[in-house]
This record gives sequence, C-alpha cells and structure tokens, in this order.
Amino acid sequence: DQQVKQNSPSLSVQEGRISILNCDYTNSMFDYFLWYKKYPAEGPTFLISISSIKDKNEDGRFTVFLNKSAKHLSLHIVPSQPGDSAVYFCAASSLQGAQKLVFGQGTRLTINP
Amino acid sequence: DVKVTQSSRYLVKRTGEKVFLECVQDMDHENMFWYRQDPGLGLRLIYFSYDVKMKEKGDIPEGYSVSREKKERFSLILESASTNQTSMYLCASKGDRAANTGELFFGEGSRLTVL
Repeated sequence: DQQVKQNSPSLSVQEGRISILNCDYTNSMFDYFLWYKKYPAEGPTFLISISSIKDKNEDGRFTVFLNKSAKHLSLHIVPSQPGDSAVYFCAASSLQGAQKLVFGQGTRLTINP
Repeated sequence: DVKVTQSSRYLVKRTGEKVFLECVQDMDHENMFWYRQDPGLGLRLIYFSYDVKMKEKGDIPEGYSVSREKKERFSLILESASTNQTSMYLCASKGDRAANTGELFFGEGSRLTVL
C-alpha cells in the first residue's frame, strides 16, 4: 500500500525553465510534507517542507504547493539549473505516525543545457 | 555542522553471512532510523528508535534487527544475509521527539551487495 506516490519516474527540463515535480498521498492524517533531493552515492538532503495549515511555502528558487482536498503536492523549481539534476523524493508524516516519514518512489530530474 | 556517519560505504557479503551496518550521529538526536532505497520503491523504513535501548518496527523489518546501546549509535543487523537484501541502506536521525515536524538528517548510505 503506497501511501505516498510519485507517478513520474523521470522528468527532463531545459535549463532556465520551470521544473514541476508532483506527489500524491492517500492518508488524510498526513499533516507535514517534505521534499528531499538525492545525488548518486550520497544521502538525501532536505530541501523544503510544508505544514498542512499552509498551501504554499517558498524558499528561493523552490516553492512547494499543497492541495489538501486533492491530496496532492508539487515542487516548483524556477529557474532550473544543471545542479538541480538529481532524484527528488517527497515524504509525509502524521502526528499519529510519530517520527516516521513515509517516502514516495522518487522522480529523477534531468536539467538539459 | 550536522553529521550522520555510516561506517561502510560499500560492502560485498555472501549469502548466509551476518552483516553489521553502523551509524553514528553527533547531534544528540533522540530519534534514529534505518531505511533502504531500491529503484522504483523509494525509501522504505526498516526500523527506528526514539531512545536508547528502544526500537520500533518499520514497514519492512523482516530479516533485520537493530541495536541502540548508546544515544549516538544505531546499528542494523542482518542475521543471515540474502540476495534480496542487496540494496542501499540509509541511516537518519531527527531531534524533537515530541513532534512529527522537522527534517531527517541522512548519512551518505551503505551500498550492500549480497552474492
């Protein structure tokens, strides 16, 4: 039972354009969402998060949008840069789930020069 | 700077061998986690610990055990390695036990191959 789903295994975007990565979840108890970025042979690093009381959070080139009614969140990167090429994971947690983060399958983003 | 260190980056073991994966964090975090990452499956939680000598099963604990004798160290043990345990293993830690907010800090990963 995949509670957090990233349905696009890969995405290719031109440098300078906007990258949009999507994530869907099924558990309505999730109330905190995060995006992680992972380069090959390295551990994931935290990128940005959003609480369920908000619908948008922005940090520089990165913006996360949350649509609770649709159980959908997205990560926007603009403008996209070659260094953004990585695997992106969305993750979710709930108070009932204590400290556990549930991760999606990941989306490999490739930024083309 | 936050640091989670995994003792081995790459390991090759034979079927049936006992395998220890060690993880140390220097942030005085209460919570520590072991995930495995497989293509198409994302990160799946094996075990976690919210205090010394405490452990909780994650989503895929079968074939694994853990040990947390000291706050900074969390070990993952494969009692008898099998080929389906070939994977990237990621250790993580997190402070603030009281809330589900906050980020996990990950180590660089240990890639295990079981022949």
